[in-house]
Amino acid sequence: GAGVSQSPRYKVAKRGQDVALRCDPISGHVSLFWYQQALGQGPEFLTYFQNEAQLDKSGLPSDRFFAERPEGSVSTLKIQRTQQEDSAVYLCASSTRTGTRGYTFGSGTRLTVV
Amino acid sequence: DAKTTQPTSMDCAEGRAANLPCNHSTISGNEYVYWYRQIHSQGPQYIIHGLKNNETNEMASLIITEDRKSSTLILPHATLRDTAVYYCIVRSRMDSSYKLIFGSGTRLLVRP
Repeated sequence: GAGVSQSPRYKVAKRGQDVALRCDPISGHVSLFWYQQALGQGPEFLTYFQNEAQLDKSGLPSDRFFAERPEGSVSTLKIQRTQQEDSAVYLCASSTRTGTRGYTFGSGTRLTVV
Repeated sequence: DAKTTQPTSMDCAEGRAANLPCNHSTISGNEYVYWYRQIHSQGPQYIIHGLKNNETNEMASLIITEDRKSSTLILPHATLRDTAVYYCIVRSRMDSSYKLIFGSGTRLLVRP
């Protein structure tokens, strides 16, 4: 596709509910990143894939957060037993393997946990 | 990764040049300087990057000092649509994760 597509655009979850956020990267982009952005702050790194391999998950805040990219294209970020502090915008970005020419970000999914 | 320091906010008049500074005094020789911006309710957008030479593209110019400890992003003729948060990021070429570490950025307001 022409850009990175994320769905849903907005998600409201009750505390304790599981959610799944989807990212469709630019076709052919090897690298895929997930970021979390709290209100008024810069994006914070969560995890990184190169093709289907998750090479860095150092930013995942707890074991309730899980990401996958089984076929090296579409990725899903899953949050189990959501809590209020999980409320944020979740951004996905894709790039060529090194990303030297910059990453392309999606518009994000705004998650609100009530 | 080297950290960057940016002013919290700036403003400029529409049609004038916007000069956004960034300090990265601990940058190492194998680290690039990247600039991204984030317009309200959108994801960050890549603007430009450089290693040690000045760079220019259709969006902006990047001026890096000779000692590489600071840089300036220049928007030559700012428009209202340039109102955004601008992030200066230092990224290692050797970082196998290739991740970007964002700071708080500079909130640029372009005034009519």
